[in-house]
Amino acid sequence: DAGVIQSPRHEVTEMGQEVTLRCKPISGHDYLFWYRQTMMRGLELLIYFNNNVPIDDSGMPEDRFSAKMPNASFSTLKIQPSEPRDSAVYFCASTATRGGGKETQYFGPGTRLLVL
Amino acid sequence: GQSLEQPSEVTAVEGAIVQINCTYQTSGFYGLSWYQQHDGGAPTFLSYNGLDGLEETGRFSSFLSRSDSYGYLLLQELQMKDSASYFCAVKGNNDMRFGAGTRLTVKP
Repeated sequence: DAGVIQSPRHEVTEMGQEVTLRCKPISGHDYLFWYRQTMMRGLELLIYFNNNVPIDDSGMPEDRFSAKMPNASFSTLKIQPSEPRDSAVYFCASTATRGGGKETQYFGPGTRLLVL
Repeated sequence: GQSLEQPSEVTAVEGAIVQINCTYQTSGFYGLSWYQQHDGGAPTFLSYNGLDGLEETGRFSSFLSRSDSYGYLLLQELQMKDSASYFCAVKGNNDMRFGAGTRLTVKP
């Protein structure tokens, strides 16, 4: 398996523009997570899906952020309009349901977003 | 809610042993995991503890005490390539939360 795939790897945009980040989870994984990482705030969980259904979006910072998972192999995180404070690395991760608590999350390479 | 505490930075020399501690508060507990992240890279899974005690994987070991809500990652025979950030993560009732990370610097 190619692992979790994210695109684009780098994105530079201007304030006010719409940004769409994409993620393809590992085939067979039924959980998908979106994280944001910054020096100041560390690794923050934004939202996660189970079987394509959003379970917890309490980490989504504002209404400017939205996420969808139209099918088991694709998810998007959209920021509209973008602001300079949204600059961060955005990771997508996936995992498969296991009994108990052992849950290995497999992270994609991340999208490095810079909003000017 | 959930909270995790771990030191922000640790420095050690090559060949030494270092221990990174993690204390947590969580609603529901299913396990403690550790992840490694090199600069510019993505977090990668290192180890998991679901029960009390020590788990060993090569040079790395991880320990858990559920009664103390405490765990640690032990890295032995440190190598320069071990310089990275290390995150503890707790699986609670709903999801997994990550600590702020400990930046380990290994010096020659």
